[in-house]
Amino acid sequence: DAMVIQNPRYQVTQFGKPVTLSCSQTLNHNVMYWYQQKSSQAPKLLFHYYDKDFNNEADTPDNFQSRRPNTSFCFLDIRSPGLGDAAMYLCATRQTGGMDSNQPQHFGDGTRLSIL
Amino acid sequence: EDQVTQSPEALRLQEGESSSLNCSYTVSGLRGLFWYRQDPGKGPEFLFTLYSAGEEKEKERLKATLTKKESFLHITAPKPEDSATYLCAVQAHTGNQFYFGTGTSLTVIP
Repeated sequence: DAMVIQNPRYQVTQFGKPVTLSCSQTLNHNVMYWYQQKSSQAPKLLFHYYDKDFNNEADTPDNFQSRRPNTSFCFLDIRSPGLGDAAMYLCATRQTGGMDSNQPQHFGDGTRLSIL
Repeated sequence: EDQVTQSPEALRLQEGESSSLNCSYTVSGLRGLFWYRQDPGKGPEFLFTLYSAGEEKEKERLKATLTKKESFLHITAPKPEDSATYLCAVQAHTGNQFYFGTGTSLTVIP
């Protein structure tokens, strides 16, 4: 089945130790998103890519960076994780453009990040 | 500022007891309103898209409706397997961003 796959499902890192989360898709969608979701909170948009065009939300901390080397893959890098960065990180994809401007997002099952 | 508010935060229903979840929004030109279901430890699963006031969509026991200021997700004769968090998101006419509400946590008791 075509899908959005996030690895790993669970990630434990130490305070201040860089960590990378990955997302891959077989949907061939042109837009990819990274969200941070804390318990009982709304998913908070961190970044999105429209093809290779990178869009950073104004309140996304500088500690977070992203890479999209090709259509299928997107990475979230956290340079120096703090305790407040413990959360579920969700990747989503979407096809847009022309007749597809109203298409929904398709989500992976997330990576649960814990900080020791 | 674009904003999405969902109510109630939590809802407990007996199996078979119908109810509605609310999503109120303010957005500069609505391109679409989206309902998702999220199970614990999983990513949101798409349910419905609504584009214009007066539109309705149905799927099994769920029915979503849209006005100019809010959307309702009606659950008819719910079953325990309908227990989940239901998220609402809006997309404005400009850009590819989606704005999510905090969700309604639904528990259906057998």
